Amino acid sequence: QKEVEQDPGPLSVPEGAIVSLNCTYSNSAFQYFMWYRQYSRKGPELLMYTYSSGNKEDGRFTAQVDKSSKYISLFIRDSQPSDSATYLCAMNEGTYKYIFGTGTRLKVLA
Amino acid sequence: DAGVIQSPRHEVTEMGQEVTLRCKPISGHDYLFWYRQTMMRGLELLIYFNNNVPIDDSGMPEDRFSAKMPNASFSTLKIQPSEPRDSAVYFCASSLNIGGGGPDTQYFGPGTRLTVL
Repeated sequence: QKEVEQDPGPLSVPEGAIVSLNCTYSNSAFQYFMWYRQYSRKGPELLMYTYSSGNKEDGRFTAQVDKSSKYISLFIRDSQPSDSATYLCAMNEGTYKYIFGTGTRLKVLA
Repeated sequence: DAGVIQSPRHEVTEMGQEVTLRCKPISGHDYLFWYRQTMMRGLELLIYFNNNVPIDDSGMPEDRFSAKMPNASFSTLKIQPSEPRDSAVYFCASSLNIGGGGPDTQYFGPGTRLTVL
């Protein structure tokens, strides 16, 4: 079993929809939970991170962590075609060794 | 700032050949990371350096892989001999330890797409 599981998609939604992206994990020692966005043929870029459980909001993006269920989510409100990308979750134990999910490919249709 | 620079962007080679991938981190950053990305395994950390010193190379798949960082502005990842299963996109990333809690943001380069025939 992988430490971090992520549905690869693809996920297709109409413009303006609310998107929900999720990861599950098995290591209870993970402390920081991150979401990266990766456009085609580009390197990943950090969207946001959360420490421990709870919610964090940044514009149209909301990250949620439920440590009791070992489940994290990223919500995108009012999705735009420019949000079309692969979204990677990543986690670590407070060290520099990040464990990444395989990514979910999202397509927002105009 | 130009960001993290990687070269070459694409590499096609034959099995058994030596491959060298290059990375120039963002100036002033003190951490450098090498990752490999495949469809099946996703993004995997191979090795990382702090102030040019290798800290954790537990992700390096086998002895055919080696990495060096001779100075703060240059790093190489070498595969010798290369095998078809090494085909992947290899990313270099760098970060700056600013303290104060929270993970340091890792800035990724555009990657090198390696194909071993």
